[in-house]
Amino acid sequence: DIQMTQSPSSVSASVGDRVTITCRASQGLGGWLAWYQQKPGEAPKLLIHAASTLQSGVPSRFSGSRSGTDYTLTISSLQPEDFATYYCQQANSFPWTFGQGTKVELQ
Amino acid sequence: QVQLMESGGGVVQPGRSLRLSCAASGFTFSSYTMHWVRQAPGKGLEWVAYISYDGTKKDFADSVKGRFTISRDNSKDTVSLQMDSLRAEDAAVYYCARDRDYNSGSFFFDYWGQGTLVTVSS
Repeated sequence: DIQMTQSPSSVSASVGDRVTITCRASQGLGGWLAWYQQKPGEAPKLLIHAASTLQSGVPSRFSGSRSGTDYTLTISSLQPEDFATYYCQQANSFPWTFGQGTKVELQ
Repeated sequence: QVQLMESGGGVVQPGRSLRLSCAASGFTFSSYTMHWVRQAPGKGLEWVAYISYDGTKKDFADSVKGRFTISRDNSKDTVSLQMDSLRAEDAAVYYCARDRDYNSGSFFFDYWGQGTLVTVSS
């Protein structure tokens, strides 16, 4: 199975901050990676697929990029509604696997 | 709008069975691969199973293979997860999720239900 390692596991930030979350895959994904946002008590929400394609309706402050087997989610200017847990997910090889999550908390 | 609504969760003893259902609306259900993803309390996400748009392809995570089965009824816009021989480690919120791409599927999940809680306890 492909292992997805997210870092950091948590980050404390303030409104307006730039936040970067990284996901490292144990092998190549060919760009087949998604990012999800989950708020407490809610289902996950797809933010980005294919490493850098913004899902319809998602604010443009969210962006994704790739460098080799490292994938990055960037929130350019953190908003109050962005405090949540973020997960990466690979869709390159069965079984589809998620990172362990990164909690973005209010500093 | 796209809606997915799970049902069937509850408390079940270890070794017993439970059947979850997911009712879909707001899209052409018969054109989309569907998935089940679970989340143990306070833990991360784990993909569990998928079924292709026409029901001909299915697969499962190793953790549930041989114990869980997945089916769909395209005439009723529903997908089901039959869970047998349940274990304590199967306790989780189970989400039904739609594959982002119709027909072949991308294995990204663009719409999720609200989830149904399964508790396995004696």
